Amino acid sequence: DQQVKQNSPSLSVQEGRISILNCDYTNSMFDYFLWYKKYPAEGPTFLISISSIKDKNEDGRFTVFLNKSAKHLSLHIVPSQPGDSAVYFCAGVYNQGGKLIFGQGTELSVKP
Amino acid sequence: GAGVSQTPSNKVTEKGKYVELRCDPISGHTALYWYRQSLGQGPEFLIYFQGTGAADDSGLPNDRFFAVRPEGSVSTLKIQRTERGDSAVYLCASSRGFNQPQHFGDGTRLSIL
Repeated sequence: DQQVKQNSPSLSVQEGRISILNCDYTNSMFDYFLWYKKYPAEGPTFLISISSIKDKNEDGRFTVFLNKSAKHLSLHIVPSQPGDSAVYFCAGVYNQGGKLIFGQGTELSVKP
Repeated sequence: GAGVSQTPSNKVTEKGKYVELRCDPISGHTALYWYRQSLGQGPEFLIYFQGTGAADDSGLPNDRFFAVRPEGSVSTLKIQRTERGDSAVYLCASSRGFNQPQHFGDGTRLSIL
């Protein structure tokens, strides 16, 4: 039972354009969501989070949108830079306990 | 360094052997998590410590897997009678509390021959 799904395994974007990474979830009990970025041979790095009571959170070039009725969230990166090329994971978490439930990841490639 | 440290970075061993994987969390972080990541998948939760006690071990796949955190800091994940299916990257993360962002180490790549 995949509670968090990232249906696009890869995404290619031109430098300077917007990157939109999508994530769907099935469990309405998640209290908040996080996005992580992962380079090869490194651990995931926390990017941005959003509480389930919000619909938007912004941090610099990164904005996360949450649509609870659709059980969908997205990460927008504007403008995209070549250094953003990495695998991006979304994760949901229950407030009681804190274990992260990850999606399968989307590999973003930003071309110069 | 100030980040989560995991040792060894790579471990190759034969099927049936016992392995120990170590995690040094960020100083002051009370919560510690273990995850396992297979190729092409997201990390999968194994166990979570709050202080010295395992608060949630529901992700441990079977009784060959065990983890300890005796002094509330360093943690060791122990795998007995290893099987080829145990091959994966084992990730450790720590946080200030269970509702705070988790910071990951670079993982231990375990290969069972």
